[in-house]
Amino acid sequence: DADVTQTPRNRITKTGKRIMLECSQTKGHDRMYWYRQDPGLGLRLIYYSFDVKDINKGEISDGYSVSRQAQAKFSLSLESAIPNQTALYFCATSDAGSATEAFFGQGTRLTVV
Amino acid sequence: RKEVEQDPGPFNVPEGATVAFNCTYSNSASQSFFWYRQDCRKEPKLLMSVYSSGNEDGRFTAQLNRASQYISLLIRDSKLSDSATYLCVVNPRASKIIFGSGTRLSIRP
Repeated sequence: DADVTQTPRNRITKTGKRIMLECSQTKGHDRMYWYRQDPGLGLRLIYYSFDVKDINKGEISDGYSVSRQAQAKFSLSLESAIPNQTALYFCATSDAGSATEAFFGQGTRLTVV
Repeated sequence: RKEVEQDPGPFNVPEGATVAFNCTYSNSASQSFFWYRQDCRKEPKLLMSVYSSGNEDGRFTAQLNRASQYISLLIRDSKLSDSATYLCVVNPRASKIIFGSGTRLSIRP
């Protein structure tokens, strides 16, 4: 089983719909992240959380919200999806401290039509 | 200025060639550095950490230059299987993990 699990893996939704992407981890890490990847733009940070009571905006948080329901769960919501939110979304976790790597989920491919 | 910048490539080199990528970062307080590899439509995975003294893992060598604020990745005797996107990652102390936009590498037979 994967250490970082994202659901769904693929989703097609209509403009204006609310959609939630879920991420759960079994690594016991405090830190969790949501990234968006578009062709040629690399990974851009949407939101991140350093513990259950901590939520921080990343560089492209507009149009998104998150919830850290537990140490192991971090969900990303699109309140009213729009076509330019079509992208590949990754959840990642890391341990606290600076010299730690990030572990990624397998990604969610979201298409907004 | 972006916090982490990479040449997007693509680099297209023949099998067996040596190829090098650089990555610059803007936060001088950055503490740790990594190179990740990402295959098409897959999640990024750690390739190697980058240590101040430089480090080597088989055909891969990573270097850090704190004075000039850049890290590098050298791949020797490149293989077809090295074709991927290579992401530079900076992890400042007590701060979010920052990814470069990635450098695409394509190895041709």
